[in-house]
Amino acid sequence: GNSVTQMEGPVTLSEEAFLTINCTYTATGYPSLFWYVQYPGEGLQLLLKATKADDKGSNKGFEATYRKETTSFHLEKGSVQVSDSAVYFCALLWGNTPLVFGKGTRLSVIA
Amino acid sequence: EAQVTQNPRYLITVTGKKLTVTCSQNMNHEYMSWYRQDPGLGLRQIYYSMNVEVTDKGDVPEGYKVSRKEKRNFPLILESPSPNQTSLYFCASSLGLSGAPYEQYFGPGTRLTVT
Repeated sequence: GNSVTQMEGPVTLSEEAFLTINCTYTATGYPSLFWYVQYPGEGLQLLLKATKADDKGSNKGFEATYRKETTSFHLEKGSVQVSDSAVYFCALLWGNTPLVFGKGTRLSVIA
Repeated sequence: EAQVTQNPRYLITVTGKKLTVTCSQNMNHEYMSWYRQDPGLGLRQIYYSMNVEVTDKGDVPEGYKVSRKEKRNFPLILESPSPNQTSLYFCASSLGLSGAPYEQYFGPGTRLTVT
């Protein structure tokens, strides 16, 4: 079946450091890919998405490129801030089946 | 404001005492879903509903019931809660599954403790 694997956390970075959170997927077709973010005490909210190969999703300084050849959708940010501390979830959507989430990666950014 | 609301936000109960967690959305969404979030396990889907009167099991449906009598509401029912259902629960909704693809909107979560 469809699945998402993302890097284990927690990830701890200093402010202004470069962030990469790896995400790879397994799917029978060509899914749409998402990154959701969960700030402390809140529900998940969509951060960015990409619907086809080579698409780049971007929002709030975060970027992720849909790579079909490596079945990946890694999340990157050039300079993280303390306010980026959250749990990040990679997810895929294919056909008429429910969204499949990775297990989440907790990011802590220290000043 | 477009939103998904859940009530209660926090609940402590005892084993076997039936409870209902309500979920309501004001976006006229067809698709609604319940998840539980546990440390190390991420989000796991409990049940989902593609439309009124249509519900399906997710990955971890045991011990839960749902109903979808109206488009806006999707309550989660625990007929006889047990301690292993202690978790953080999220309701979510979207216009649909396939097509756009559609963003899922999440509620703020309900933290349930069963003693």
